[in-house]
Amino acid sequence: QKEVEQDPGPLSVPEGAIVSLNCTYSNSAFQYFMWYRQYSRKGPELLMYTYSSGNKEDGRFTAQVDKSSKYISLFIRDSQPSDSATYLCAMSPRGYQKVTFGTGTKLQVIP
Amino acid sequence: NAGVTQTPKFQVLKTGQSMTLQCAQDMNHEYMSWYRQDPGMGLRLIHYSVGAGITDQGEVPNGYNVSRSTTEDFPLRLLSAAPSQTSVYFCASSVMTAGYLEGGYTFGSGTRLTVV
Repeated sequence: QKEVEQDPGPLSVPEGAIVSLNCTYSNSAFQYFMWYRQYSRKGPELLMYTYSSGNKEDGRFTAQVDKSSKYISLFIRDSQPSDSATYLCAMSPRGYQKVTFGTGTKLQVIP
Repeated sequence: NAGVTQTPKFQVLKTGQSMTLQCAQDMNHEYMSWYRQDPGMGLRLIHYSVGAGITDQGEVPNGYNVSRSTTEDFPLRLLSAAPSQTSVYFCASSVMTAGYLEGGYTFGSGTRLTVV
């Protein structure tokens, strides 16, 4: 079993929809949680970075961490065609030097 | 501000050939790493470095060598290329605080390598 599980999709939604992307994990030591966005044939770019449980909002993006359920989510409000990309979750324990990535969920926002 | 620069962007190698993938960053990040990305397997860590002169193995180090002589540069060497090394390679860097990662990675744009 992988330490981080992520549904590969693809996920297709109409423009303006609220998108929910999720990851589950098995390592209870994970404390730092990240979401990256990767456009086709590009490198991943950091979207959200959170520490421990709770919510963090940045514009149309909200990251949510539920450590009791070992579950993290990324919500995208008012989705746009420019949000079409692969979204990677990532996480690491505190005091560690390696990050574990999910395999990514491909999102398509249809105009 | 260039961030993380990888060269070349594309490369085709014959089985058994060697080559070096270059990575340079201009953000004075202590931490640098190499990942490979394959369909269905996500990003897998090959090697990483927490400063000049310090390197360590990641999840899939076999067939690859690294060195870190300066803070800015972290080249990845393929010793004898094999078709299983066909992949997209990403270099990433990060700030470190008190010896551990802080704030997420900055990635380069990747090198697409095909071994025939």
